[in-house]
Amino acid sequence: NAGVTQTPKFQVLKTGQSMTLQCAQDMNHEYMSWYRQDPGMGLRLIHYSVGAGITDQGEVPNGYNVSRSTTEDFPLRLLSAAPSQTSVYFCASSPPRGKGDEQFFGPGTRLTVL
Amino acid sequence: AQSVAQPEDQVNVAEGNPLTVKCTYSVSGNPYLFWYVQYPNRGLQFLLKYITGDNLVKGSYGFEAEFNKSQTSFHLKKPSALVSDSALYFCAVRDHGQNFVFGPGTRLSVLP
Repeated sequence: NAGVTQTPKFQVLKTGQSMTLQCAQDMNHEYMSWYRQDPGMGLRLIHYSVGAGITDQGEVPNGYNVSRSTTEDFPLRLLSAAPSQTSVYFCASSPPRGKGDEQFFGPGTRLTVL
Repeated sequence: AQSVAQPEDQVNVAEGNPLTVKCTYSVSGNPYLFWYVQYPNRGLQFLLKYITGDNLVKGSYGFEAEFNKSQTSFHLKKPSALVSDSALYFCAVRDHGQNFVFGPGTRLSVLP
């Protein structure tokens, strides 16, 4: 099992550019989520999905889009990058509540927006 | 709404001494509680969880945590700290809607 994989590991964007952060898991987990981690603020939920075809907004969704066409993949799209989106982004997956429960995290993508 | 508090930004402890990293939570219903550890430039790694049953749960690397319903706490403990335990620790709760809510993190420094 590769677990949760994320690409790229590092990315530098200019303000206004768009890009997609890739996330994939091979554990057949229904629940997947994207977080951003900023110093002193812990992890904040951006978007999440409870299964293929179902997505919803988390705490800080503005400026980001997601889709979930398959169980395995959950890409995060930055529509028009802003310096405030400079952060470390983590993707995670888990079984549904009551069926294992702990989240498995990817290694993260460090994004800098100039 | 559910929330998690970690009252200490930083905990310093000498190697060989016991350590405690504090966590309190607010959630409706029965809580699903977790501890994760993050080493520099890495993703979060699962340490342990409380779902039901014994209030003292044991996890990876010699860590344990005690669930206290009356105090709504889930403190992380280890009897004898190692320098290699130095990292960022996150407490989290899973709500009935499937989402996880994380605390702000506590940086643990174990001094040789």
